[in-house]
Amino acid sequence: GQQVMQIPQYQHVQEGEDFTTYCNSSTTLSNIQWYKQRPGGHPVFLIQLVKSGEVKKQKRLTFQFGEAKKNSSLHITATQTTDVGTYFCAGHSGGSNYKLTFGKGTLLTVNP
Amino acid sequence: DAMVIQNPRYQVTQFGKPVTLSCSQTLNHNVMYWYQQKSSQAPKLLFHYYDKDFNNEADTPDNFQSRRPNTSFCFLDIRSPGLGDTAMYLCATSRGSAANTEAFFGQGTRLTVV
Repeated sequence: GQQVMQIPQYQHVQEGEDFTTYCNSSTTLSNIQWYKQRPGGHPVFLIQLVKSGEVKKQKRLTFQFGEAKKNSSLHITATQTTDVGTYFCAGHSGGSNYKLTFGKGTLLTVNP
Repeated sequence: DAMVIQNPRYQVTQFGKPVTLSCSQTLNHNVMYWYQQKSSQAPKLLFHYYDKDFNNEADTPDNFQSRRPNTSFCFLDIRSPGLGDTAMYLCATSRGSAANTEAFFGQGTRLTVV
């Protein structure tokens, strides 16, 4: 079955440093989504990438979708304490099956 | 305005005592998902519906059942909860179109089996 791997599992940075998390799927994806989950909260949608090689930016966040539509990354420039949380990628298999499989997530902590 | 509502927020149940978790949505979305999330782990898909079409994950225990009586409501039934079923249960919805598969999550039900 479809598997979505994500690294690193944990990342601790000083405020102002950059952060990147990487996601890799065992199968080609229809699209990939990124979610953020604050401690004690529920996952909140950040973005969806659909096209091969797509790059999208949201302020300090940059999302990329690989050419083969099997890998993705999220990069945060100049982290802030408000960036703390777990970042999950989630792969969508497409077609008439709307299965959404989550990666294991990367827990980001930021030291002020 | 809450769009995906889960009840209850917290549930304590005894080992082996059936429990039902509920989810309702005001988004009129076709797809509804149930995820189990244990502490410090990723959400694990249990099953999902596209309208009334039910999709069960191969590794979801038979102990877990679901019902979707209409578009707005979906239920998770755990017939004989074990201690290992202690977790956060997350309901999510999505529109179910190729162009937009964004999932909207409820706040979850934190289930404790004692």
